[in-house]
Amino acid sequence: SQTIHQWPATLVQPVGSPLSLECTVEGTSNPNLYWYRQAAGRGLQLLFYSVGIGQISSEVPQNLSASRPQDRQFILSSKKLLLSDSGFYLCAWSASTSRTDTQYFGPGTRLTVL
Amino acid sequence: AQSVTQLDSQVPVFEEAPVELRCNYSSSVSVYLFWYVQYPNQGLQLLLKYLSGSTLVKGINGFEAEFNKSQTSFHLRKPSVHISDTAEYFCAVIMNTGFQKLVFGTGTRLLVSP
Repeated sequence: SQTIHQWPATLVQPVGSPLSLECTVEGTSNPNLYWYRQAAGRGLQLLFYSVGIGQISSEVPQNLSASRPQDRQFILSSKKLLLSDSGFYLCAWSASTSRTDTQYFGPGTRLTVL
Repeated sequence: AQSVTQLDSQVPVFEEAPVELRCNYSSSVSVYLFWYVQYPNQGLQLLLKYLSGSTLVKGINGFEAEFNKSQTSFHLRKPSVHISDTAEYFCAVIMNTGFQKLVFGTGTRLLVSP
């Protein structure tokens, strides 16, 4: 069966520090991968998605970037964190580009920027 | 562009009472509809989805939802809730065109008390 992992589970970082969040998927190949951010009272916002290695699409211009160095690895990064980057970051995967395929979510990383 | 509205940010109910969580969407094209549940500090889990066919969709944990095209709604219902149903519930849509991108509502927090 497929599983999705995220780490770390929680992170407290000072403003201006770098960031690296990792997401890996097991039990499938060539998944679509997604990064979402959940801010209080604002639902989930799609940040990035990837349909293959090295292919990244950005949905929202911001202080963050994403990379996909391996088929089942998706990394969210920042060179300098802002207070507004605080939130709950969720990684998700789906089996293909079919719109009817379910997106499966990881357990999330709670980021607090102080 | 499509959007999803969940008018109720919080719904308090007593255990064993029925509940309805409202979801309305707007889109110029046909959509696929989803309900996800999020327990505290966890990722999202799919409750049910509407792709086509019968407008009444049954999901996990005794939940069901009805797609109403004329009212552009996809309300979630459960005839008798349990304490364990306390969670945040998100409605989401994917357009029937373009990339598989979920657009989420802001969520409804269901609070079940004894």
